[in-house]
Amino acid sequence: ETGVTQSPTHLIKTRGQQVTLRCSSQSGHNTVSWYQQALGQGPQFIFQYYREEENGRGNFPPRFSGLQFPNYSSELNVNALELDDSALYLCASSLDPGEYEQYFGPGTRLTVT
Amino acid sequence: AQSVSQHNHHVILSEAASLELGCNYSYGGTVNLFWYVQYPGQHLQLLLKYFSGDPLVKGIKGFEAEFIKSKFSFNLRKPSVQWSDTAEYFCAVTNGQNFVFGPGTRLSVLP
Repeated sequence: ETGVTQSPTHLIKTRGQQVTLRCSSQSGHNTVSWYQQALGQGPQFIFQYYREEENGRGNFPPRFSGLQFPNYSSELNVNALELDDSALYLCASSLDPGEYEQYFGPGTRLTVT
Repeated sequence: AQSVSQHNHHVILSEAASLELGCNYSYGGTVNLFWYVQYPGQHLQLLLKYFSGDPLVKGIKGFEAEFIKSKFSFNLRKPSVQWSDTAEYFCAVTNGQNFVFGPGTRLSVLP
């Protein structure tokens, strides 16, 4: 166990809907990164938040957005869901952006029908 | 853009066999390299990491990896695998801005 928690564990949504996923970082960690892991693939970097600001972004469209709160927990929001958004969404926390060792949560399994 | 390739999609070994999983990355600058493992039903865990210094790094559970800069490679090795090593293994690289994972190699160890 890493101390990184995510909710919910599983989620089923319909195409076109919106979804919010949540992550609580490990104690003392102020940086949170989000990843999408499609079945049979490696995690793909969505974005990173550091002290409530976006600190880097992968190749994902603007309908993927996020927030980080003063307690360093974070949300991932996805609008206008598409079938291809079905994946495991992973959150990882680290001490700061320069500390590359990340601690991963168990993930949220999102299914879009 | 950075990319990471892993040589094998699925590797099947018998217990006590030696393991080597290949990883190559494409990026010309300074990078930090990682191997993560995902056991069935569990979250990603860090096996080992390379930031600088000795290119041969040792990680948990008897794993080690060698960074060969000229070959852009960071192969994972273990002299003798156990059934409990059955898992998905991911190589990853970061240049400080993006964190890029490889597609993963599934290792099945037969008892």
